[in-house]
Amino acid sequence: DSGVTQTPKHLITATGQRVTLRCSPRSGDLSVYWYQQSLDQGLQFLIQYYNGEERAKGNILERFSAQQFPDLHSELNLSSLELGDSALYFCASSGGGLVEKLFFGSGTQLSVL
Amino acid sequence: AQKITQTQPGMFVQEKEAVTLDCTYDTSDQSYGLFWYKQPSSGEMIFLIYQGSYDEQNATEGRYSLNFQKARKSANLVISASQLGDSAMYFCAMREGLNFGNEKLTFGTGTRLTIIP
Repeated sequence: DSGVTQTPKHLITATGQRVTLRCSPRSGDLSVYWYQQSLDQGLQFLIQYYNGEERAKGNILERFSAQQFPDLHSELNLSSLELGDSALYFCASSGGGLVEKLFFGSGTQLSVL
Repeated sequence: AQKITQTQPGMFVQEKEAVTLDCTYDTSDQSYGLFWYKQPSSGEMIFLIYQGSYDEQNATEGRYSLNFQKARKSANLVISASQLGDSAMYFCAMREGLNFGNEKLTFGTGTRLTIIP
């Protein structure tokens, strides 16, 4: 168990809908990262938050947004969903040290039908 | 150019044999970190081993070792005495410019390892 909690584990929705994925980092970790894993794109970095502030942005679509709350949990919002958004979405956390590894949650499998 | 290249999409290895998974990387930074993660069929990402660019010795973690060749920009994972439970996807990843508070990892495309009884 990595200590990173993601909910829900599975999500099935229709095109055009909006969903929210939730992540609770390991106790004490200040950084939260979101990754998307799909068969054609592999593991793609989406966005990082550090202690409530956006720190780095990757290949995140404008239809997607995220935030980190004062209690350090994070939410990834996906709107106007398309078939191609179907993927496994990972949240990871780290403590912010120079050689910190990322601890990954078990992921949310999103299926857009 | 790809930052992380894993040239072996799939590998089949006999149980108890050693296996080497290849990884090459591309960076102009002097400070960087290299990681290997394992993803079993259940889907979670499990950290295996870390090598810093300034580490003079190859990293080892139990049956895992990292063959770090800085001049060749390679960071191959070696698994000794493979077990059936080692069957999984293996990802090489890099963090560049070790800035505090920015530990974003860039991942390779992965190698699917299958251990044959």
